[in-house]
Amino acid sequence: QVQLQESGPGLVKPSDTLSLTCSVSAYSISSGYNWGWIRQPPGKGLEWIGSIYHSGSTNYNPSLKSRLIISVDTSKNHFSLKLRSVTAADTAVYYCARGIRAWLGNDYFDYWGQGTLVTVSS
Amino acid sequence: EIVLTQSPGTLSLSPGEGATLSCRASQSVRSSYLAWYQQKPGQAPRLLIYAASSRATGIPDRFSGSGSGTDFTLTIRRLEPEDFAVYYCQQYAGLPQITFGQGTRLEIK
Repeated sequence: QVQLQESGPGLVKPSDTLSLTCSVSAYSISSGYNWGWIRQPPGKGLEWIGSIYHSGSTNYNPSLKSRLIISVDTSKNHFSLKLRSVTAADTAVYYCARGIRAWLGNDYFDYWGQGTLVTVSS
Repeated sequence: EIVLTQSPGTLSLSPGEGATLSCRASQSVRSSYLAWYQQKPGQAPRLLIYAASSRATGIPDRFSGSGSGTDFTLTIRRLEPEDFAVYYCQQYAGLPQITFGQGTRLEIK
């Protein structure tokens, strides 16, 4: 069964860069599918951040695009998120997930990591 | 951007009853590219339904999805205690934007 695991600092200072990695097991990223990041502020709903294909092509939420980089490392079988210039509004549980791309459409997500809480505070 | 509005915000029912959850889109969702997820406290969302009416692997048949265009429904027959959770709809027709509804909380009456 495919498993995903997020890792990274749980506390980030305002204006710094938030960096997270999602390690994938029991499936080779280079075999296909899209790989996405979704976040959830405490007590609130889900927000899609962006997705990356194993080839490296990306699709970002327009509201975050100017601050966001998602990359993939097939040799380590993981993908990463970097969000710069963070504020308290970026405090959330961050999930990574496997995306299934619809024909001429976007992704829905079948496997998810357990999530990691990132707090932006000085 | 396609905005999804879920109703009701909270649904209070008893085990054994049936539940009907609604998801309305601000514009037509092409090809019924709509998914439903279940989320329990402290857990990641779990995929229930994709393409509006297709059940994901391992999902009990008491969960069913329907709808097209702008109106979609998740129906749960004979609620089990483990079904009480928050449910989200998600559209994946939009390019480049994926959006989620704000969620419906299904609580025990």
